Amino acid sequence: GAVVSQHPSWVICKSGTSVKIECRSLDFQATTMFWYRQFPKQSLMLMATSNEGSKATYEQGVEKDKFLINHASLTLSTLTVTSAHPEDSSFYICSARPAGGRVDEQFFGPGTRLTVL
Amino acid sequence: KQEVTQIPAALSVPEGENLVLNCSFTDSAIYNLQWFRQDPGKGLTSLLLIQSSQREQTSGRLNASLDKSSGRSTLYIAASQPGDSATYLCAVKGNQFYFGTGTSLTVIP
Repeated sequence: GAVVSQHPSWVICKSGTSVKIECRSLDFQATTMFWYRQFPKQSLMLMATSNEGSKATYEQGVEKDKFLINHASLTLSTLTVTSAHPEDSSFYICSARPAGGRVDEQFFGPGTRLTVL
Repeated sequence: KQEVTQIPAALSVPEGENLVLNCSFTDSAIYNLQWFRQDPGKGLTSLLLIQSSQREQTSGRLNASLDKSSGRSTLYIAASQPGDSATYLCAVKGNQFYFGTGTSLTVIP
């Protein structure tokens, strides 16, 4: 149990286009989902925390108008990278905290590799 | 702000060796510490979770220790195998997860 999926697993797009990444909790409901970004040779950095039915909370330095997060249901959160540029190329990973779960409990998705040409 | 450091950044060992990966963190106010495995281009697989009140956890050939007061954790891998080759990340949970930059392990057959 406790499986988190991401779609797509990889995407290549042209500069200036928008890309949507989905994060789904397959066998549990997640009131809170987290989005991380990992640049090559660097650690995962938390970008934002999304709570179902409310606005996401963004970490310092993350542009909320560029990285749009929607958490419209208890099993789905989406991250849209708007007007993507080559510097947005990265590995994006989501995680989900089960509803009623411990504050330290998160299950991670397999990640999405974004390459912006 | 919490800072997590992992040493070494890369490690190459012959199959069968025992090895230790190190993780240090600057703020001891944590809920727990987790060790993850990440294969190239893949997500994270949780290996061991140590609650802040615990000293160690074991799973198979893996043993993780936690010394919260000194801000250190170690991951011990016994009898390493080529399939253990991956990047190992430690993460501490405070108000959010803080990840280290990882140790890239290569086990040579």
